[in-house]
Amino acid sequence: DTAVSQTPKYLVTQMGNDKSIKCEQNLGHDTMYWYKQDSKKFLKIMFSYNNKELIINETVPNRFSPKSPDKAHLNLHINSLELGDSAVYFCASSLAGRTDTQYFGPGTRLTVL
Amino acid sequence: GNSVTQMEGPVTLSEEAFLTINCTYTATGYPSLFWYVQYPGEGLQLLLKATKADDKGSNKGFEATYRKETTSFHLEKGSVQVSDSAVYFCALRGGKTIFGAGTRLFVKA
Repeated sequence: DTAVSQTPKYLVTQMGNDKSIKCEQNLGHDTMYWYKQDSKKFLKIMFSYNNKELIINETVPNRFSPKSPDKAHLNLHINSLELGDSAVYFCASSLAGRTDTQYFGPGTRLTVL
Repeated sequence: GNSVTQMEGPVTLSEEAFLTINCTYTATGYPSLFWYVQYPGEGLQLLLKATKADDKGSNKGFEATYRKETTSFHLEKGSVQVSDSAVYFCALRGGKTIFGAGTRLFVKA
């Protein structure tokens, strides 16, 4: 029944490692997003994918790479993790042109040691 | 560029108190304005929205009016409940969606 799901829920890793966070939506939406929420609760959009094409990239370091194998999935891969990458990462989805109604996943808390 | 500024939290209220969370924005053109709520351990949920000046968005007893003259979209509720404890985000969409920093609300029984 879960509309937008993310795995894992918690991720603890060492600096320099490479990790991925998976996101899946079963709403039939064609636009998906990744947001980063830092310790001060700032929520910043990182990527937006529409029909498997990147349409927004908010000057995110190229260590972050979104990968969308199909319309229902948008995974986030992070290379060479840094301490400052520690945050909660949220996936979301919407219909194209309806970015005002986004459905969010539960978040993945990433801790880099 | 566009920006959103929210009052800093946390805001602590007793049950049945009146709530106001201030939100002001700067934008070119006529953005749509939103309030999202994040309950503990969950993702964001759209709470209400307004798409043009003087529109009032409302949901679950919360209201916010799009005030173009003061570039504001303050969130209000007449009588808060413990279950309203959450983080509230003001956001605007004028092409891309920009979120405020969030305001944490604690409601005591």
